[in-house]
Parts: sequence; structure tokens; C-alpha cells
Amino acid sequence: DTEVTQTPKHLVMGMTNKKSLKCEQHMGHRAMYWYKQKAKKPPELMFVYSYEKLSINESVPSRFSPECPNSSLLNLHLHALQPEDSALYLCASSHVGAGGGNQPQHFGDGTRLSIL
Amino acid sequence: RKEVEQDPGPFNVPEGATVAFNCTYSNSASQSFFWYRQDCRKEPKLLMSVYSSGNEDGRFTAQLNRASQYISLLIRDSKLSDSATYLCVVIMVDSSYKLIFGSGTRLLVRP
Repeated sequence: DTEVTQTPKHLVMGMTNKKSLKCEQHMGHRAMYWYKQKAKKPPELMFVYSYEKLSINESVPSRFSPECPNSSLLNLHLHALQPEDSALYLCASSHVGAGGGNQPQHFGDGTRLSIL
Repeated sequence: RKEVEQDPGPFNVPEGATVAFNCTYSNSASQSFFWYRQDCRKEPKLLMSVYSSGNEDGRFTAQLNRASQYISLLIRDSKLSDSATYLCVVIMVDSSYKLIFGSGTRLLVRP
């Protein structure tokens, strides 16, 4: 059983819809991440939050908007997505090591997103 | 050249076999190393961290060779449940939050 929980498990939305993906962890981790994974490819980092502040944005289009309301929660707000945004969206969390990250990350089981 | 390279496989082995995967990384500033496994349509799961002295966890042994910039994973007495994709992961010293993934090695263990 994963200790990082993501909802919903599956999401189908039209290109004009607004929806949000949610992620929660209770491991006391202070770094949280969003990844995007396409079929047969490794995960690609999108955003990193450290101590509830956005520390990395990997040049992600503005139609993806992350939010970290507190140390346990991470959201990804979606608006006006494109069909090529269909993918598995993974949340992860980790401790923050000395000097920053450098810690193993624990993944949630993902939200499978389909854009019509 | 990719930052982390792995043989995509698949490695097709019988139950009980010993199988080894290698992974090479291009940046000598890499500082942390991990093996993850990922089942089809599931999330990556941390299998083990990799230390310079080598480390073992049950049937799994990981080795790191900094001089040659490669990491290995040895699986002994393969089980059917070991069938998965194994991802080699590296963290760079100047980008410590970012996991750099290899493309994965697929393992199939047959009865």
C-alpha cells in the first residue's frame, strides 16, 4: 500500500474543463513533487515544493497550476488542457536532506488523465 | 548521450535464475543513486538506495562503481513477482530534488 494517496485515480475531461488533482502524504515529508509519465517512458518532473514553497518549475505550461496548501497536501489545477496532456500524473514526496533534496522519493499510485 | 542509460531488455529468465542489470551515468557530479521498480500501469516503487560500499536487501544486491560511473542490480533466485521494469535513478549534486531516470530495463520471469 502506498503512503502517498492521490485522487482521483482516473479522470476524463474536455479541453475546456477545469479540474484538480489531489495528493496527500502523512510521512512528515517536507518536499512534494508532481511528475508526468507517458506510456513506456520514465516519469518527467514538473514541479517541486520544498517547505510548502515552489522551488522548481520545469518550464511547465501555465495550464498546469500547482498549489501546496500545507505540508501534507499538494494539488495540481488543470485548465484548458490539450490531448497531448493525456498521461499518468504522479505525486511524490520525500524528506529534505542536508543542502536540499537528495533523498529517495515515494510515489503515489497516480491519476490517469485522458483529455478528449 | 543520455544522462542515465540502461539496456531496455527484456530480460527473459526462468524462475530461480540470477539476473543482473547495469546502468551507466554520464555526469560525475551525480551523488545519489537508487533502483526503483515499476509494474505495468503502476507507480514507481523504491527498491533500494545504492551505496558506494554496496548493499544487499534479501535477494537484491546493488553496487556502485564511481570510477566507471555505473550501477548494478543483482537479483538472485528470481520469482515470478519480480517481473517488472527496473528504473535506475540518479540525483545530481547541483539539482538535488530532481530524479534523473533511466529508461528502464524490463524483466520477465517465466515459470
